[in-house]
Amino acid sequence: KAGVTQTPRYLIKTRGQQVTLSCSPISGHRSVSWYQQTPGQGLQFLFEYFSETQRNKGNFPGRFSGRQFSNSRSEMNVSTLELGDSALYLCASSLTGGWYEQYFGPGTRLTVT
Amino acid sequence: GENVEQHPSTLSVQEGDSAVIKCTYSDSASNYFPWYKQELGKGPQLIIDIRSNVGEKKDQRIAVTLNKTAKHFSLHITETQPEDSAVYFCAARRGSGTASKLTFGTGTRLQVTL
Repeated sequence: KAGVTQTPRYLIKTRGQQVTLSCSPISGHRSVSWYQQTPGQGLQFLFEYFSETQRNKGNFPGRFSGRQFSNSRSEMNVSTLELGDSALYLCASSLTGGWYEQYFGPGTRLTVT
Repeated sequence: GENVEQHPSTLSVQEGDSAVIKCTYSDSASNYFPWYKQELGKGPQLIIDIRSNVGEKKDQRIAVTLNKTAKHFSLHITETQPEDSAVYFCAARRGSGTASKLTFGTGTRLQVTL
């Protein structure tokens, strides 16, 4: 069974630009969560999508948004990039969320210059 | 909200020795506690998890214990091997059937030396 895939793996953007990251969950999984990982703040929850609806949201500004498609694939978007947005963005897939285990993808390394 | 503290931040053990990593959580409503291993350049890999209805769970060389009264849980790795070297994260999830938000500890860098 294929794992969680994320594209692209690496991305370099300039301040003020916007970026879109993509995540394909494990086949059959309907919940997708996004996390930001930085050396200073560690792993922080961004949001979760289930059945194309945002079900949970972390404490990030509105510049961070996401969506989920009918095939459970998810995208997250960051607008007006800031230097502090440089991080590893991780997507986690779960059967339905809640009690079920979350499996992470390899992440997208975003560098903002 | 939930707060998870993890200790130690770094741990060096000799091959064959045991390693123990401890975490405490603040929210008594948390009921699911996974452990992840993250190797360089990779995403976190789920290695074991425990739910609040059990006190201990084992999987070969790895075990996790949970003390709900004290609100702490621990990861035990026995007979460590060089390939166990990685960063380990504990996490906690708060109640409710639909909540998927995990709150993570700050990580423990485990180094297994020959």
